[in-house]
Amino acid sequence: GQQVMQIPQYQHVQEGEDFTTYCNSSTTLSNIQWYKQRPGGHPVFLIQLVKSGEVKKQKRLTFQFGEAKKNSSLHITATQTTDVGTYFCAGPGTALIFGKGTTLSVSS
Amino acid sequence: DTEVTQTPKHLVMGMTNKKSLKCEQHMGHRAMYWYKQKAKKPPELMFVYSYEKLSINESVPSRFSPECPNSSLLNLHLHALQPEDSALYLCASSHFGDRQETQYFGPGTRLLVL
Repeated sequence: GQQVMQIPQYQHVQEGEDFTTYCNSSTTLSNIQWYKQRPGGHPVFLIQLVKSGEVKKQKRLTFQFGEAKKNSSLHITATQTTDVGTYFCAGPGTALIFGKGTTLSVSS
Repeated sequence: DTEVTQTPKHLVMGMTNKKSLKCEQHMGHRAMYWYKQKAKKPPELMFVYSYEKLSINESVPSRFSPECPNSSLLNLHLHALQPEDSALYLCASSHFGDRQETQYFGPGTRLLVL
């Protein structure tokens, strides 16, 4: 079945450093979604990318969808302690197919 | 109202108990989902209801029994669970059940099976 691979699994940064997580699929995706799950919390929708080469920004977060619609990335500029959590990409499958997530920890 | 609510927040049950998890949404969504999430893992789809009919069952053991009484409510009945069923159970909803839709998750029920 379709799989969405996500790396890295864990990332620790100092506050103020940048962070990037990458998502890859072996097949073309019609769209990709990103969710954030805070420690002890539940997944919260961040954004959906649909168009080839699409770039969307939300304050310090930049989301990209590859030209071939097989990969995506989430980049956070100047991380803050509030960015801590696990970031999941998710592609369409039977329902949503989640990547394994990247857990971000930030030290001040 | 963009909220999905779940009760209870925490549940401890023995292997012989019968319990139910409840989920409610008032966004007018016609699709509702149950996911199971183990620690440090992504959510795993269990069931999908679309227009109050079970549309997807991801080969879930029969000790988990879903029910959709109406378009706003989703239940998960639990019976004779095993310790390995301990996990966070998440409910989600979306507009129509199209696989490209955004899903809205509830806060989950943390289940411990002893």
